[in-house]
Amino acid sequence: NAGVTQTPKFRILKIGQSMTLQCAQDMNHNYMYWYRQDPGMGLKLIYYSVGAGITDKGEVPNGYNVSRSTTEDFPLRLELAAPSQTSVYFCASSYRTLYNEQFFGPGTRLTVL
Amino acid sequence: EDKVVQSPLSLVVHEGDTVTLNCSYEVTNFRSLLWYKQEKKAPTFLFMLTSSGIEKKSGRLSSILDKKELFSILNITATQTGDSAIYLCAGVGEYGNKLVFGAGTILRVKS
Repeated sequence: NAGVTQTPKFRILKIGQSMTLQCAQDMNHNYMYWYRQDPGMGLKLIYYSVGAGITDKGEVPNGYNVSRSTTEDFPLRLELAAPSQTSVYFCASSYRTLYNEQFFGPGTRLTVL
Repeated sequence: EDKVVQSPLSLVVHEGDTVTLNCSYEVTNFRSLLWYKQEKKAPTFLFMLTSSGIEKKSGRLSSILDKKELFSILNITATQTGDSAIYLCAGVGEYGNKLVFGAGTILRVKS
């Protein structure tokens, strides 16, 4: 199993550009998540999905969009990049459980200039 | 609003020291508390605690949960330089579909 994979690893965007961060998992997990991590701020939940076709906002959804057309994939879209979106983005997944041990991808480091 | 607070924010110890990391939480319909270790990349899972007073142990690491006082501690004995990392705790509440993370404790172990 590859686990949770993310692409790209690094990206530099100009203000106003758009991009999609890719996330895939091969563990047949129902739940998938997108977090951003800023220095000293822990992990903030952007969006999550409890299954294909179902998504919901997390703590910091503004400026982002997601879709979940398959169990495996959960892309995160930035439409109009802003410097405030400079961060490290982690995708995670978990089984359908009340206790929710999440498995994380390697992260994407995004810089918006 | 759910929140998780970790302390200290950072600490520096010498190899062989014992450290205790703290995590307090206020999570609606609390289900479990998870500890993760984050080195250079993604967080990796350490422990999941669901019941009070039961110690989870893995080698030199151990953790315990106090559901009455709403906190957890992570102990690391005989620290090694490889223990240097950010340690994150997270609470699971509501229907188990979201984690609320603390800001993390940055641990640096000096040789």
